[in-house]
Amino acid sequence: DAGVIQSPRHEVTEMGQEVTLRCKPISGHDYLFWYRQTMMRGLELLIYFNNNVPIDDSGMPEDRFSAKMPNASFSTLKIQPSEPRDSAVYFCASNPSAGGLSYNEQFFGPGTRLTVL
Amino acid sequence: QKEVEQDPGPLSVPEGAIVSLNCTYSNSAFQYFMWYRQYSRKGPELLMYTYSSGNKEDGRFTAQVDKSSKYISLFIRDSQPSDSATYLCAMVVTGGENKLTFGTGTQLKVEL
Repeated sequence: DAGVIQSPRHEVTEMGQEVTLRCKPISGHDYLFWYRQTMMRGLELLIYFNNNVPIDDSGMPEDRFSAKMPNASFSTLKIQPSEPRDSAVYFCASNPSAGGLSYNEQFFGPGTRLTVL
Repeated sequence: QKEVEQDPGPLSVPEGAIVSLNCTYSNSAFQYFMWYRQYSRKGPELLMYTYSSGNKEDGRFTAQVDKSSKYISLFIRDSQPSDSATYLCAMVVTGGENKLTFGTGTQLKVEL
């Protein structure tokens, strides 16, 4: 398997523009997570899906952020309008369902480095 | 106060040194404790995980959990330049659907 795939790898845009980040999870994984990483705040969970259904979006910073998962192999994170403070690395991760008391490794994509000017 | 606290470093050590990386946490419901390694401009990768208190060893790496003190550690023996990376601790509540809470990460540099 190719692992978690994210696109684009780098995005530079101007304030006010719409940004769409894309993710393809590992086939067969039921869970998909979107994270944001900055030097100041570290790695923060934004939202996660189980079987394409959003379960917890409490980490989404504000209404400018939205995420969708139309099918098991694709998810998007959209920022509209973008602001300079949204500049960060955005990671997508996936893992299979947890079975009972077990922990299932979460696999991360390579990230999208977003710069908003 | 953050649920998980981790010294950001940077930490610089000579090759061959023993490295100790630590995290403290406040949520007593955390049951699984993970260490992720993140190389520059890459996504984090799982290094080790432990369940509840105790030690776990994997080659040059040892993970230690002390739930009574809410303190976890990662020890690296005979450190190598290839160990230079950011190390993130992460924790999850049992039955918490793998909703990880991460520390901010400690940047480690192992010098020749």
